[in-house]
Amino acid sequence: DIEMTQSPSSLSASVGDRVTITCRASQSISTYLNWYQQKPGKAPKFLIYAASSLQSGVPSRFSGSRSGTDFTLTISNVQPEDFATYYCQQSYSAPLTFGGGTKVEIK
Amino acid sequence: QVQLQESGPGLVKPSETLSLTCNVSGDSISNYYWSWIRQPPGMGLEWIGYMSSNGRTTYNPSLQSRVTISVDTSKNQVSLKLSSVTAADTAIYYCATLPSVWGQGTLVTVSS
Repeated sequence: DIEMTQSPSSLSASVGDRVTITCRASQSISTYLNWYQQKPGKAPKFLIYAASSLQSGVPSRFSGSRSGTDFTLTISNVQPEDFATYYCQQSYSAPLTFGGGTKVEIK
Repeated sequence: QVQLQESGPGLVKPSETLSLTCNVSGDSISNYYWSWIRQPPGMGLEWIGYMSSNGRTTYNPSLQSRVTISVDTSKNQVSLKLSSVTAADTAIYYCATLPSVWGQGTLVTVSS
């Protein structure tokens, strides 16, 4: 199985801050990497596919990048509605696997 | 836009079989891969498996011996069966056409 290691597990940020979340794959997954946002009591919401492509309707303050097996989700100018838990997920091979999640809290 | 709605018993006894249904609306069920994902309360996401548009299934090896995913095209429904459940199977269960469309999820508690 491909292990997805997400860091940090939680972070505190203020409105307007730039937030960076990292996801490391245990082997090469090319750009087969998705990012999701989940709020309490809700299903995950799809944000980014192919490591850096923004899903339609997702604000442009969200961005993704890749460097080898390291992937980054960046939220620039974080807004109140962005406080949530974020997950990465590899779609390179079965079993599909998720990172452990990063909870973004208000400072 | 396809929409998904999970349904099924909220309480299942240990050793019994968990059975859930996902009702699909807005498009033909034949056009998609169908995944089930679960999330224990307060924890992360675990992929259970999927059925492809040609009917091939792929399961998470950690659950493979207990899982069956099937599709009923006449009813536009996707089903999940998980046998011999224990308390560790207590979770919110989601059906999804990964990555973009998810159902709202349904909580299943395993308890006597």
